Amino acid sequence: DAKTTQPPSMDCAEGRAANLPCNHSTISGNEYVYWYRQIHSQGPQYIIHGLKNNETNEMASLIITEDRKSSTLILPHATLRDTAVYYCIVSERGGSNYKLTFGKGTLLTVNP
Amino acid sequence: GAVVSQHPSWVICKSGTSVKIECRSLDFQATTMFWYRQFPKQSLMLMATSNEGSKATYEQGVEKDKFLINHASLTLSTLTVTSAHPEDSSFYICSARRIGFTEAFFGQGTRLTVV
Repeated sequence: DAKTTQPPSMDCAEGRAANLPCNHSTISGNEYVYWYRQIHSQGPQYIIHGLKNNETNEMASLIITEDRKSSTLILPHATLRDTAVYYCIVSERGGSNYKLTFGKGTLLTVNP
Repeated sequence: GAVVSQHPSWVICKSGTSVKIECRSLDFQATTMFWYRQFPKQSLMLMATSNEGSKATYEQGVEKDKFLINHASLTLSTLTVTSAHPEDSSFYICSARRIGFTEAFFGQGTRLTVV
């Protein structure tokens, strides 16, 4: 079973920031938070991951709370092409316990 | 970098035949590859984890004799659906984890239709 909870859907206006929340209250100390997205009929696309510090790359920012029980993915300037299902996943970094188990995710719809 | 390619992108086969799907990491070596299945309007379901040179580890409920996985090299894993039936029709997706990195990258998926 997925260890994360996400809202089933969200809307965002084009050009605005999209903030996608994720609850992972049972996360353990050696588990990372990963974010992927899936555009219809395509394979998932890696976005970003983090352990406890906030992370930023060319696609997004990841904000992890101090207690690590929740996180927020931020798309700073959403475009229509960002419409997708976004998945928040927790997993250990390596070894046999590395397993990306997908929950239902959040369908983000970016509106013009 | 970090490109994973699947072949074919889609395939239609007759019931009772076998179908092989290839997953290649094009620009990196992957010790571990993963196979998923996704039915319409559902999330991805992990089927098995494949390590180069060793037997795959299947998730509970996945028939290993029906879904044959071979991971013969650091850049290629194959999934063979044996004696396919219409209920095996699905979107099959592989992912590969680059040596020394924590994130995995996914292929574009293979749409299998069994008629």
